[in-house]
Amino acid sequence: SQQGEEDPQALSIQEGENATMNCSYKTSINNLQWYRQNSGRGLVHLILIRSNEREKHSGRLRVTLDTSKKSSSLLITASRAADTASYFCATEVGGSQGNLIFGKGTKLSVKP
Amino acid sequence: DAGVIQSPRHEVTEMGQEVTLRCKPISGHDYLFWYRQTMMRGLELLIYFNNNVPIDDSGMPEDRFSAKMPNASFSTLKIQPSEPRDSAVYFCASSLSGARDTQYFGPGTRLTVL
Repeated sequence: SQQGEEDPQALSIQEGENATMNCSYKTSINNLQWYRQNSGRGLVHLILIRSNEREKHSGRLRVTLDTSKKSSSLLITASRAADTASYFCATEVGGSQGNLIFGKGTKLSVKP
Repeated sequence: DAGVIQSPRHEVTEMGQEVTLRCKPISGHDYLFWYRQTMMRGLELLIYFNNNVPIDDSGMPEDRFSAKMPNASFSTLKIQPSEPRDSAVYFCASSLSGARDTQYFGPGTRLTVL
């Protein structure tokens, strides 16, 4: 079964609006990462948040982590058409060196 | 750095043929990962290596799949014989410290098995 699941599956907004995507997971984690994938391309790392952190910022990105609810959110502020992509959360399951488990992603469409 | 390099970018083959996908990780990265992405199943980890040694191959779907890493700068994923259900995009990724670190993905190989 999927460790991380993003919500919503698809999101369509206008340029300039904020986009919020959520990720829920099932078991305890060491860290949670967010990746972006443009159509036909490989995944690109956006941000990593460790289990002892609650919030992290990178440019227009803001990630929160609530380990008590086993959930994370990715906020993109002042969205641009170039932000159109699929966004994935990935969790490192405790005790595993390499096993990063990806959700199925949120497909974001930003209309100019 | 050129990033993770994969070849070929596209592969179309007929059922029963052998397929070999290639990957060159980023120099200095100790971990290499092979993933498969499909619409139905999303992104699945097939196998990963640490210092050229396979650590976890539990995601390899069947004996038809095999992966090798003969040296720190090269890895292959082989499917023999290929089947239509193997059609997917296969990604290679590398990182310094496994799942505790950023993974850098290659552009992927889109495999179509007819």
